[in-house]
Amino acid sequence: ETGVTQTPRHLVMGMTNKKSLKCEQHLGHNAMYWYKQSAKKPLELMFVYSLEERVENNSVPSRFSPECPNSSHLFLHLHTLQPEDSALYLCASSQGWGRSQETQYFGPGTRLLVL
Amino acid sequence: DAKTTQPPSMDCAEGRAANLPCNHSTISGNEYVYWYRQIHSQGPQYIIHGLKNNETNEMASLIITEDRKSSTLILPHATLRDTAVYYCIVRVNTDKLIFGTGTRLQVFP
Repeated sequence: ETGVTQTPRHLVMGMTNKKSLKCEQHLGHNAMYWYKQSAKKPLELMFVYSLEERVENNSVPSRFSPECPNSSHLFLHLHTLQPEDSALYLCASSQGWGRSQETQYFGPGTRLLVL
Repeated sequence: DAKTTQPPSMDCAEGRAANLPCNHSTISGNEYVYWYRQIHSQGPQYIIHGLKNNETNEMASLIITEDRKSSTLILPHATLRDTAVYYCIVRVNTDKLIFGTGTRLQVFP
């Protein structure tokens, strides 16, 4: 238990569906992250939020839309996804952003399957 | 951030020490060495990090060579639950964690 929770843990959706992934951190952190891990590939950073402002967007397609309403919650809104978007989506948080000693704590992930 | 090189896989007997090496020959003076692990289909778990001194916590020890070009993560008494992929990451003035392919550690009875 890292203090970072993600729901749902598993999600199956069609290409025309709209769904949202939720992340909540109970650590009092100010920075939150979305990562994607496709099968047999390393984790890839998608988005970073610091104090509810997006500070990093790693060329992620617009069918992925993040939202950070407050420092404890992070959402990833999904629409018109492709089968190749099937992956493990991981949320992480850290105390702050911009300092190299910040340790990131990860949630358990949401396993997404796009049909 | 500096690149790291790790062996793709290692085996270790339960109860023995697991020593996981990492080469980071291009590391610069202000880059930290971080270790995470990922048990199958779970989120990565932070283990330990260091700059130049050896570090120890309740999970592991980190030994960094004097020239800082390599390091070793030591799990002193490996258990079956330590079976995972272990990632060595170096980072400087950024919060980006750039994960490589890591070392798959298999602990056997």
